[in-house]
Amino acid sequence: KQEVTQIPAALSVPEGENLVLNCSFTDSAIYNLQWFRQDPGKGLTSLLLIQSSQREQTSGRLNASLDKSSGRSTLYIAASQPGDSATYLCAVKNSSNTGKLIFGQGTTLQVKP
Amino acid sequence: DTGVSQNPRHKITKRGQNVTFRCDPISEHNRLYWYRQTLGQGPEFLTYFQNEAQLEKSRLLSDRFSAERPKGSFSTLEIQRTEQGDSAMYLCASSSSGAGDYGYTFGSGTRLTVV
Repeated sequence: KQEVTQIPAALSVPEGENLVLNCSFTDSAIYNLQWFRQDPGKGLTSLLLIQSSQREQTSGRLNASLDKSSGRSTLYIAASQPGDSATYLCAVKNSSNTGKLIFGQGTTLQVKP
Repeated sequence: DTGVSQNPRHKITKRGQNVTFRCDPISEHNRLYWYRQTLGQGPEFLTYFQNEAQLEKSRLLSDRFSAERPKGSFSTLEIQRTEQGDSAMYLCASSSSGAGDYGYTFGSGTRLTVV
């Protein structure tokens, strides 16, 4: 059974810092992995999608990496801003035949001005 | 099209009552998903439709839960005989099979409180 874990549960950093959020999964046979952002009381916004054959994806100040063999992904945020404050969730999809995403519990990030 | 729309935004109901939520996906999206999220946790998958066909159901979806997507457009999620443990945020998402898993779009959710 696939399990997804995100550590730490919460993180507080001063504005301008570079930071890394971690995601680990127990079954390395994944189809893809996505990182989402969730603002309080809101739905999720997809940030980056990494296919199982890819090692990383980049969008602006965000870079996500994937190491399937070790069951890990990281989300790197460069030059953090107060507007980055949100909960970040990673989710894996085990195969192309399923609609199911398996989510971690999220990391709540606070960037202080 | 402004995205995935969910109604109502909030619902408070007494234990034992039935509730129904509605999700209107992005019009060109043929896939629709329901998830449930409790405080401090990530979303948990409930069910998935492609067009009007319900292709997957989680074991979380007990006999008291039913979802429909008539004509492959909007979807409803009904919970019968609600229990306090049903209190959660119910999230709907949609995507296009032609785009793979890109463009996964979530609605803002319906927050259910069972008292």
